[in-house]
Amino acid sequence: DIVMTQSHKFMSTSVGDRVSITCKASQDVSTAVAWYQQKPGQSPKLLIYSASYRYTGVPDRFTGSGSGTDFTFTISSVQAEDLAVYYCQQHYSTPTWTFGGGTKLEIK
Amino acid sequence: EVQLQQSGTVLARPGASVKMSCKASGYTFTSYWMHWVKQRPGQGLEWIGAIYPGNSDTSYNQKFKGKAKLTAVTSTSTAYMELSSLTNEDSAVYYCTRQGPKYGDYWGQGTTLTVSS
Repeated sequence: DIVMTQSHKFMSTSVGDRVSITCKASQDVSTAVAWYQQKPGQSPKLLIYSASYRYTGVPDRFTGSGSGTDFTFTISSVQAEDLAVYYCQQHYSTPTWTFGGGTKLEIK
Repeated sequence: EVQLQQSGTVLARPGASVKMSCKASGYTFTSYWMHWVKQRPGQGLEWIGAIYPGNSDTSYNQKFKGKAKLTAVTSTSTAYMELSSLTNEDSAVYYCTRQGPKYGDYWGQGTTLTVSS
């Protein structure tokens, strides 16, 4: 099974800062990684798919990069509404999925 | 507009079984995999399994084989998940999400299951 590891459970940042969240796959997944945002009390929402493609309606301050086993999700200028938990997910072996453990973004 | 409407909050006894639903609308139900995801309080997302309503093909996380059973009724565009032999560890929010084309593009609002005696 493919394991997705997000090494930081928490990250603290300030409004206007640039922040990057990393995710590592246990094996080569090409570019088959998605990123989701989950705000408190809400369902997850798709932001990025296939490592770097922004989903419909997603602001361009959200970007993704990476291939193989190492992936990065970046918010170029954090806004207060970006307070959330961010999850990576491999869709290489779809319909079998695995999620990373999540990174909670805290706004100072 | 694609919508996934999940059934409401459930309270169940240990050892019991429950069946929850996810009613899809706004797209061709039989053409997309439907996935189920578990989230325990304060924890991350855990993939349970998926069903392809077009032919009832299923894929399960090994951890949930024997615990979860996925079915779909095409006439009502509804996916179901039955959880058996419930324990406190099954208390969680359960989401359904459509796979389109390889990732979860639409999500239901979640069904909260509480297992308590």
